[in-house]
Amino acid sequence: DAGVIQSPRHEVTEMGQEVTLRCKPISGHDYLFWYRQTMMRGLELLIYFNNNVPIDDSGMPEDRFSAKMPNASFSTLKIQPSEPRDSAVYFCASSSKLITRRGYEQYFGPGTRLTVT
Amino acid sequence: DQQVKQNSPSLSVQEGRISILNCDYTNSMFDYFLWYKKYPAEGPTFLISISSIKDKNEDGRFTVFLNKSAKHLSLHIVPSQPGDSAVYFCAASAGSNYQLIWGAGTKLIIKP
Repeated sequence: DAGVIQSPRHEVTEMGQEVTLRCKPISGHDYLFWYRQTMMRGLELLIYFNNNVPIDDSGMPEDRFSAKMPNASFSTLKIQPSEPRDSAVYFCASSSKLITRRGYEQYFGPGTRLTVT
Repeated sequence: DQQVKQNSPSLSVQEGRISILNCDYTNSMFDYFLWYKKYPAEGPTFLISISSIKDKNEDGRFTVFLNKSAKHLSLHIVPSQPGDSAVYFCAASAGSNYQLIWGAGTKLIIKP
């Protein structure tokens, strides 16, 4: 398996523009997580899905942020309109419902570095 | 309220010596603790974990110790190598809740 795939790897946009980040989880994984990493706040969970259904979106900072998972192999995180304070690295991760001896391990994508000017 | 805390933002260690990274938690319901390693421009990757029913887990140069009474765990790397320079995150989960609660991370720098 190719692992979790995210696109684009880098995105530079102007304030007010719409930004869409994409994620393809590992095949067979039931859970998908969107995280944001900043220097100030570390790794923050934004939202997670189970079987394509959003379970907890309490980490989504504002209504400008929305996430969808139309099927088991694709998810998007959209920011509209974008603001400079949204600049961060956004990670997507997936995991299986099956606990292993490692616990509920999450597998991360390489991240999308977003810069809003 | 931060349930998982890594109080040292950074740590510098001489190559060949032991690196000790610490993590404290507040939720006694946590039953799995995981350590992740993150290089720049990459996503975090799993390193080692420990179940709450154990007090030690070892994997090669990496050992994690769990002290439940103190709600504290530590990651030991012996001997430290230049490739160990990275940010290390501590994370925890509770029961069938599939979320991981993350610490803020500790940047480890291995000096030659």
